[in-house]
Amino acid sequence: DIQMTQSPSSVSASIGDRVTITCRASQDISRWLAWYQQKPGRAPKLLIYDASSLETGVPSRFSGSGSGTDFTLTISSLQPEDFASYYCQEANSFPITFGQGTRLEIK
Amino acid sequence: QVQLQESGPGLVKPSETLSLTCTVSGDSIRSYYWSWIRQAPGKGLEWIGHISNSGTTNYNPSLKSRLTISVDKSKNQLSLYLSSVTAADTAVYYCARLKITTYNYWSGSYKSENHYYFDSWGQGTLVPVSS
Repeated sequence: DIQMTQSPSSVSASIGDRVTITCRASQDISRWLAWYQQKPGRAPKLLIYDASSLETGVPSRFSGSGSGTDFTLTISSLQPEDFASYYCQEANSFPITFGQGTRLEIK
Repeated sequence: QVQLQESGPGLVKPSETLSLTCTVSGDSIRSYYWSWIRQAPGKGLEWIGHISNSGTTNYNPSLKSRLTISVDKSKNQLSLYLSSVTAADTAVYYCARLKITTYNYWSGSYKSENHYYFDSWGQGTLVPVSS
C-alpha cells in the first residue's frame, strides 16, 4: 500500500493568510492525487484532482501542485469558511489511501 | 445534481453482518462507478471498495474476506455487506460517486490507465458495533 503523509497535522492561521499543506507519498504516484476539505459532521468535499485540476465550483483561491512524491495544497487568502480539515488521497493504485489529515484552525 | 443517502441499522452487534444501502437520486446508477469509504470516530478516511457500472468490484485487501458491494439498478441503490464485525468496524460509513480520469499513453502500444477520485458523497451514517 502507498503511505500518504501530511504535514503539518494542524496549523493555525488568520483570515487573509496564505496557507500551504504538504502531502508526501511513499512512492512515485505521478500526478494522481486529490485534495478534500471536510468540516465537522460533514462529508469530505473534492477540491483538487490530478494534483492541480480545480474541481468545478471550488474557489480559485485553492490550488494544488506537485508530482512524483511531493504535493502541496495552497489556500491563497484564507476565508472564514476555509477552517476545516484537509485530506490528500492517492489515485495511482489500489488500495486507494488517504493522508491522516491536516486541521486548519483559526488563530 | 446527484444526491446520495445512506441508510442502515443504528447499531450492529459484534460477529454480525453490517448492511448498508445508499440510495442515489438525480442520476442513474448505471452511468458511474460507486464506492464506500469509512471514517472511525476522530480518525482519517479509509477506502472500503468500489463497484463499476458493469458490476466489477475492487475491494480493500484489509476487508476483502468480509466484504460484498453490490448494485440494484432497478432501485438505483448501492449496498455494502461487511460480515463478522468487531468494535474496530465502528465508523461513519459514506457512499460516494467516483470521478474517473483516463490517461492514455504509448508504451510499445497504446495503453490506458484510469485514476479514481470521489466527487459526490452521501452525508454518512454512523454505525456503532457494540453488544
